[in-house]
Amino acid sequence: DAKTTQPTSMDCAEGRAANLPCNHSTISGNEYVYWYRQIHSQGPQYIIHGLKNNETNEMASLIITEDRKSSTLILPHATLRDTAVYYCIGLVSGTYKYIFGTGTRLKVLA
Amino acid sequence: SAVISQKPSRDICQRGTSLTIQCQVDSQVTMMFWYRQQPGQSLTLIATANQGSEATYESGFVIDKFPISRPNLTFSTLTVSNMSPEDSSIYLCSVEDRDYGYTFGSGTRLTVV
Repeated sequence: DAKTTQPTSMDCAEGRAANLPCNHSTISGNEYVYWYRQIHSQGPQYIIHGLKNNETNEMASLIITEDRKSSTLILPHATLRDTAVYYCIGLVSGTYKYIFGTGTRLKVLA
Repeated sequence: SAVISQKPSRDICQRGTSLTIQCQVDSQVTMMFWYRQQPGQSLTLIATANQGSEATYESGFVIDKFPISRPNLTFSTLTVSNMSPEDSSIYLCSVEDRDYGYTFGSGTRLTVV
């Protein structure tokens, strides 16, 4: 599984877009990029995942670079409830083993 | 997505005792996973539990310390045995959820005194 690197922490103003980067330079061709977030004292919550195309759902957008060595999670209009630790994880298709990195602690400011 | 019920949500235990954590899923799943999250740290996979076979443990985790049961396709237990303060963590179960990656329970916050 790809080792992922994320900034330790970020701040974002409420109502603005939060752009969370992730480097996964060792990602393999069949390895998906998953994003989860963990709000204090809760279990991780799935946000979005992708292989090589950009993805969008009701929570966020995922932009994956063409070489797949990095990706960005975009929360288009951050709210205070988006304050959490965000994890970027690589997962090979057909396998199950998540390797959680340290994640990015996002703080949304009023 | 799958719904996971994990019990207890928190407990304070005496050192040397054992605690069994239960994980119930609202649908049948092949594999269930147990994670540990130490204070201020990220999640670490303890073991994978398949119904009808022994759990597979990750490096650094052993069956004598963390015995796991998987009696059917919707239920699993993790026991933390002979506890010490170093076992104080959040323990989470997780299942594969076809359209939503992996779903996690809300966790069991364990404090050993």
